[in-house]
Order: sequence, then structure tokens, then C-alpha cells
Amino acid sequence: RKEVEQDPGPFNVPEGATVAFNCTYSNSASQSFFWYRQDCRKEPKLLMSVYSSGNEDGRFTAQLNRASQYISLLIRDSKLSDSATYLCVVRFTGGGNKLTFGTGTQLKVEL
Amino acid sequence: DTGVSQDPRHKITKRGQNVTFRCDPISEHNRLYWYRQTLGQGPEFLTYFQNEAQLEKSRLLSDRFSAERPKGSFSTLEIQRTEQGDSAMYLCASSLVSGENEKLFFGSGTQLSVL
Repeated sequence: RKEVEQDPGPFNVPEGATVAFNCTYSNSASQSFFWYRQDCRKEPKLLMSVYSSGNEDGRFTAQLNRASQYISLLIRDSKLSDSATYLCVVRFTGGGNKLTFGTGTQLKVEL
Repeated sequence: DTGVSQDPRHKITKRGQNVTFRCDPISEHNRLYWYRQTLGQGPEFLTYFQNEAQLEKSRLLSDRFSAERPKGSFSTLEIQRTEQGDSAMYLCASSLVSGENEKLFFGSGTQLSVL
């Protein structure tokens, strides 16, 4: 089983739709959580950190459920420019300091 | 440009040859990572440095891979006796750690093709 798992998609949604991605992680002693965004043929870039109480940044909302070991990302009023791959990233306690990436979920927002 | 830079952008080599990639991190960043990414997969951790010290190396990394960061600034990743399975995008990232928050800044990567 992979340490960080995501549904690869693609998720094809119309502009203006709300879309949610889930990510599960295997190590219950996990420390820090992030969502990165990667555009086609580009490098990953930090989208947002995920805090225990949940956090919001504009149209983006991140949630953490430690009991069920999953992280979610909600995108409201999706734009064409949101089309990208969204990578779930976890730092595990006792796993050194490396950040472990999921395989990513591809989002395509269409007219 | 004050971002992370990687050189070369593309490298085509024949199986069995050695290749070396360079990464120049953001100047004040103390941590430097190497990741590898293949199509349809997320970045896979290879190794990372805190200043000049190599603190962790993936168990998946064979002895053919070696990385250095001699003065705590730029880093090199060398692959000896390349194999076709080494073909991938090699990404370098740097960060300035502050508590538990760590934002990685990635370079554009070096695309390796082993023929």
C-alpha cells in the first residue's frame, strides 16, 4: 500500500462547479499536510498547507480528518485556470523530514 | 531570476553512460531536496540536504546514484551506468524551514532520457 494515495482522475467538471478531492495516508503518526498544484510540464507549487481545524483560502478549502487518515481539498466556483494536477503531500513523524507526495489528481475544468 | 535553477533542462544519454545534474537553490535556503518524477506519478523522494549534510537517502536509491552539496549551496546528482529505467524528470527543490511549516520551491527539472 502506498503511503499517500489519491484518485488519479481525471475529474472533468464544467466551469463554476464545485469539486472535491480526497487523499488518504497510511501512517497515523503523520505530522504535516499540504496540497501542491502542478500544471502540465511544470514544476509543483505549494497551493496551501492543511491545518487540523481546516482552513480556507479564497475558493479553496482544505480539511484534515486524523481519525480516518484523510485530507480533502474543495474547490468552489471552479475556473478554467484551475485545470491542473493536485498533489497531496504528507510529512510523517519518524520518517525524517522528507515530504511524501501522492500520485496526484488531475482536474480538467471545461466551458 | 532568484528561483531554483537546474541544469541541464534536458539530457539524452546512452545506456551505461554517467550523467551529472546541477541544482542551484534559492540563496538563503538551507534545505535542498532531489525528487524524481515519471509520467502520471507524483514526485518520488530521492535524498535531501540540510546545509552541506546529506540527512536522508531513499532506500529505493541504488548505489549508482550519488548526490553532493559540498559548500551548502549548489548540489549535484550523479547517476552512474545509466539504465533505461532511470529515464524521468529529476526535480530539485529548496526550502527555508520555519517550525513545522516548510514551503518547497521547485526548479523546472532536468528531463533525462536513456536510450
